[in-house]
Amino acid sequence: DAGITQSPRHKVTETGTPVTLRCHQTENHRYMYWYRQDPGHGLRLIHYSYGVKDTDKGEVSDGYSVSRSKTEDFLLTLESATSSQTSVYFCAISESRGTGTEKLFFGSGTQLSVL
Amino acid sequence: QQQVKQSPQSLIVQKGGISIINCAYENTAFDYFPWYQQFPGKGPALLIAIRPDVSEKKEGRFTISFNKSAKQFSLHIMDSQPGDSATYFCAASNSGSARQLTFGSGTQLTVLP
Repeated sequence: DAGITQSPRHKVTETGTPVTLRCHQTENHRYMYWYRQDPGHGLRLIHYSYGVKDTDKGEVSDGYSVSRSKTEDFLLTLESATSSQTSVYFCAISESRGTGTEKLFFGSGTQLSVL
Repeated sequence: QQQVKQSPQSLIVQKGGISIINCAYENTAFDYFPWYQQFPGKGPALLIAIRPDVSEKKEGRFTISFNKSAKQFSLHIMDSQPGDSATYFCAASNSGSARQLTFGSGTQLTVLP
């Protein structure tokens, strides 16, 4: 999956606990993203990063925070997990080349269950 | 607000048949329309994409048809094969930016042998 590693691949946690998901890329792409995938909703953008320490909110950012201290790593944190955050989380990367046809490369996903 | 509406939610096709998935959008500023294919347990991967300056784009058995006036675009899979069984997502963005991609809700395609 285009040099993208997500960890863990599966996680079960309890409501109210903090959870951190990690995305590591070896492609040196500038942009990194966190999406969640839910039935009937497709893929929805949570947060994205356009450089080290540069991040911005996506469509469904409430309850999530992110950090990017190195080009290759992008962390997603659920400060206090809720059952509504049970989902499959995908990390993606892209590199803007000014062609107007930017391509996303996705990791294999993390299945998170909040009980 | 769902800016890209995708149908059907699921589709079953016989091997060799034609699979058709439709998407409609509302934002006339959209100018880049990719389709992503996702196999079980994997992340989505770009399959084919089109810009509104053309009405059709073909890559092998996969064709995107684009109707700008109707604000609709569709994916046609000719000679569908069991290996095409996957979930397909349409998407749209303005300025071709991945940061502004809006995805449809997905179509689960099953091709029967």
